[in-house]
Amino acid sequence: GAGVSQTPSNKVTEKGKYVELRCDPISGHTALYWYRQSLGQGPEFLIYFQGTGAADDSGLPNDRFFAVRPEGSVSTLKIQRTERGDSAVYLCASSPLGSRATGELFFGEGSRLTVL
Amino acid sequence: KQEVTQIPAALSVPEGENLVLNCSFTDSAIYNLQWFRQDPGKGLTSLLLIQSSQREQTSGRLNASLDKSSGRSTLYIAASQPGDSATYLCAVKGSSGAGSYQLTFGKGTKLSVIP
Repeated sequence: GAGVSQTPSNKVTEKGKYVELRCDPISGHTALYWYRQSLGQGPEFLIYFQGTGAADDSGLPNDRFFAVRPEGSVSTLKIQRTERGDSAVYLCASSPLGSRATGELFFGEGSRLTVL
Repeated sequence: KQEVTQIPAALSVPEGENLVLNCSFTDSAIYNLQWFRQDPGKGLTSLLLIQSSQREQTSGRLNASLDKSSGRSTLYIAASQPGDSATYLCAVKGSSGAGSYQLTFGKGTKLSVIP
């Protein structure tokens, strides 16, 4: 597609449940990022993929959070045993890499997660 | 650790006014700075990207400047319109280490343009 696509756009779940959020980046973009945005705050970095591997997962808050990108395109953010504090908008961004890349990030519309 | 501050947190102006949004960052070793717009319940739309070697970028009624040495950027919006109402976010990308791919965001400035 033309832009970064995220599904679902909204997810309501109960405390303790497992959740998967999907990101389909812009075709050809090697770099993929996950950010989390709480109400009234700027987005906070979670994890960065360069191709298939997670180059930096230092932003993941704890081991309940995990992300994969098995074929270097679509990525899935997985949250186990959800807690009410996980409620936020999860944003995905992609960026091309290479000597001519500007470093500009392109964001999707986000997945709003609500944990009851 | 890089910190980004945006002032003011909220701004209300009458239609037609020119306005300036401010962004400051603590570590001047940046690769680039990006301004985004976010409408309520939506994702981020990139407005302008300034590389560390550049002083300013322009797109239509928007002009962004960068003073890397002082750790400041401004977003100038000319002849504001009600459709400009949104939250504007500033983000910097570091030039080395972990910051070289992470964007650090400010909390944003919520702009309301009154018809």
